[in-house]
Amino acid sequence: GESVGLHLPTLSVQEGDNSIINCAYSNSASDYFIWYKQESGKGPQFIIDIRSNMDKRQGQRVTVLLNKTVKHLSLQIAATQPGDSAVYFCAENHGSGNTGKLIFGQGTTLQVKP
Amino acid sequence: DTEVTQTPKHLVMGMTNKKSLKCEQHMGHRAMYWYKQKAKKPPELMFVYSYEKLSINESVPSRFSPECPNSSLLNLHLHALQPEDSALYLCASSQDPAEKLFFGSGTQLSVL
Repeated sequence: GESVGLHLPTLSVQEGDNSIINCAYSNSASDYFIWYKQESGKGPQFIIDIRSNMDKRQGQRVTVLLNKTVKHLSLQIAATQPGDSAVYFCAENHGSGNTGKLIFGQGTTLQVKP
Repeated sequence: DTEVTQTPKHLVMGMTNKKSLKCEQHMGHRAMYWYKQKAKKPPELMFVYSYEKLSINESVPSRFSPECPNSSLLNLHLHALQPEDSALYLCASSQDPAEKLFFGSGTQLSVL
């Protein structure tokens, strides 16, 4: 089964509100996590990453939180805009060491209402 | 140049055809990847090349044959595919394995 998953398949938010997209993982040995955004007809686009020695990392309008105790990852998007509408995937570097084996969760579709 | 370029963007092939998907990056990345993505599903890892050597093969059928001619190029040779192989094929690269991946826009493949 999937080792990385998201809690909700679809999230609908009002423009200007904050969005929170959640992800659970099961492999305690995973030490690197990435959030990707995928728009229709395009490949996944890197948003932000975090390593297991951190619990929070901020970018422009985005924040990733990592809770290793409960194996939970979240992506927060501030002041959500229509251009944020897309499918969001969390991805986990599967296993220890530099294996290059990045496994994706199921994805959450973010819909932004004007 | 911060792009991963994939060609062709669309491909229709019959089950007896032989075709190749191509991927190119000029970021100096030493790891390159093939992923397969079905509609409304996450990308699934197929192959990883690290420093031009195949390091991961996720039990992919032999009708898919990867090739890495040099550090900038990655090919996926297709032969005798099945209709269920129809999907978006994504190429990606990273500075080295376990770093963040940069994806191309993919090749949308239809097998008739």
